[in-house]
Amino acid sequence: DAGITQSPRHKVTETGTPVTLRCHQTENHRYMYWYRQDPGHGLRLIHYSYGVKDTDKGEVSDGYSVSRSKTEDFLLTLESATSSQTSVYFCAISGQLAGGSYEQYFGPGTRLTVT
Amino acid sequence: RKEVEQDPGPFNVPEGATVAFNCTYSNSASQSFFWYRQDCRKEPKLLMSVYSSGNEDGRFTAQLNRASQYISLLIRDSKLSDSATYLCVVNTISGNQFYFGTGTSLTVIP
Repeated sequence: DAGITQSPRHKVTETGTPVTLRCHQTENHRYMYWYRQDPGHGLRLIHYSYGVKDTDKGEVSDGYSVSRSKTEDFLLTLESATSSQTSVYFCAISGQLAGGSYEQYFGPGTRLTVT
Repeated sequence: RKEVEQDPGPFNVPEGATVAFNCTYSNSASQSFFWYRQDCRKEPKLLMSVYSSGNEDGRFTAQLNRASQYISLLIRDSKLSDSATYLCVVNTISGNQFYFGTGTSLTVIP
C-alpha cells in the first residue's frame, strides 16, 4: 500500500468553525489531490498540488483552501464550515511509472460532519 | 457533459457468473485509463490499468477502444469477494488530472 495517511479520520464540527484536514505521504510524489465523495456525485476534485507551494483549483473549490509547504504534506482548510461540506474527503497522490504514465493512490479518507 | 460516464447499476449476479462493465470518456486527448475498486466506506484502490492492446489479470480483463472512447472491464467466475463499486478513471496529461466515473455497483450473490 502507498504510504498515505490522513488526519483526523473522523470529525464532527459546528457550522461556521474552521477545519483543517491533513494529508501526509512518504512516497515523495510530486502530485497531491483533495477530493470529496458524496452519494450520486462520485469523486470530485477540490484542489490539487503539483509541487511545494504550487496548487490549483478543481471543480468544487469554493469554500476550501489548501497549502503545501513540504513535499510530504498537503493541508485542506474549510475556512467556515457549512452543512453542505459534510462529506468524505480523500487525499490522493500520483506518481509517474517507468513508461511515463501516472497512477493515483488514495488515503483512507476523513469523514467530516458539519452540524 | 461529464468527462467519464458509466452505468451505475446495480449489478446483482450469482457466484460464478461473468459480468461486464462499460465506461465512456469524452476527452479524446486522454492518456491513461484505469479501473479502481471501492469497498463500502473505504478508499478507492487501483484494480488495474487499461492498455491499448487490452490486458488481463487473473479473472479480470480490461479493454480500451480509443476510436469509440470506450473502456470495459470483464470479471469471470465472480466471487462473493468481488462485491464492490467499480470506478472507471481517465487521466489527462494536462495538469495530471484524473477523472472518475460515478461507479458501478456489483453484488455477487451466493
